[in-house]
Amino acid sequence: GNSVTQMEGPVTLSEEAFLTINCTYTATGYPSLFWYVQYPGEGLQLLLKATKADDKGSNKGFEATYRKETTSFHLEKGSVQVSDSAVYFCALRSGGADGLTFGKGTHLIIQP
Amino acid sequence: GAVVSQHPSRVICKSGTSVKIECRSLDFQATTMFWYRQFPKQSLMLMATSNEGSKATYEQGVEKDKFLINHASLTLSTLTVTSAHPEDSSFYICSARDRRGGTDTQYFGPGTRLTVL
Repeated sequence: GNSVTQMEGPVTLSEEAFLTINCTYTATGYPSLFWYVQYPGEGLQLLLKATKADDKGSNKGFEATYRKETTSFHLEKGSVQVSDSAVYFCALRSGGADGLTFGKGTHLIIQP
Repeated sequence: GAVVSQHPSRVICKSGTSVKIECRSLDFQATTMFWYRQFPKQSLMLMATSNEGSKATYEQGVEKDKFLINHASLTLSTLTVTSAHPEDSSFYICSARDRRGGTDTQYFGPGTRLTVL
């Protein structure tokens, strides 16, 4: 079956630090990959996505590249801000299914 | 992005009672909505796919008679937890699929915290 593994949190960084949140997956076929973000008290929001190998999704300074050879979709940002503090979920959609398979989420805390 | 609402945001009920949770897409029509369940410090688990005008499709291990889903219109899906028990206490999240303009994006509601006493 499909599964997503992402690094456990919380991850605590100082403002302007470089961020990497690792995400690896197992899936049937050729999945689409997503990063969702959940700010405190709000619903999940799509941050970025990639639908095929070597695609790079980007949004709000965040980037992730679909690496088929390593089955990974790591999230990166060059300089984080306090406002980036949230829970980040890696997810995939595969095998003709419509629903998403999520990782456990990574709580990111950015300190001023 | 599009907006999806859920009501109520939190509910506390007694064991044995039924609870209905509503999911609405506020600014687009959604033929497909999804219901997820999230345990503390766990990932979201897909429970079922709700299709407007037809029966819901349940994931393996999800009791369809316990978690009743009705998608009666293009903007509303409801999840009813029947004869709730403490083990049903969880965070329930819906999403609505937006396929306007050739896109295919799921927009999530803010979730409903259910506590069964």
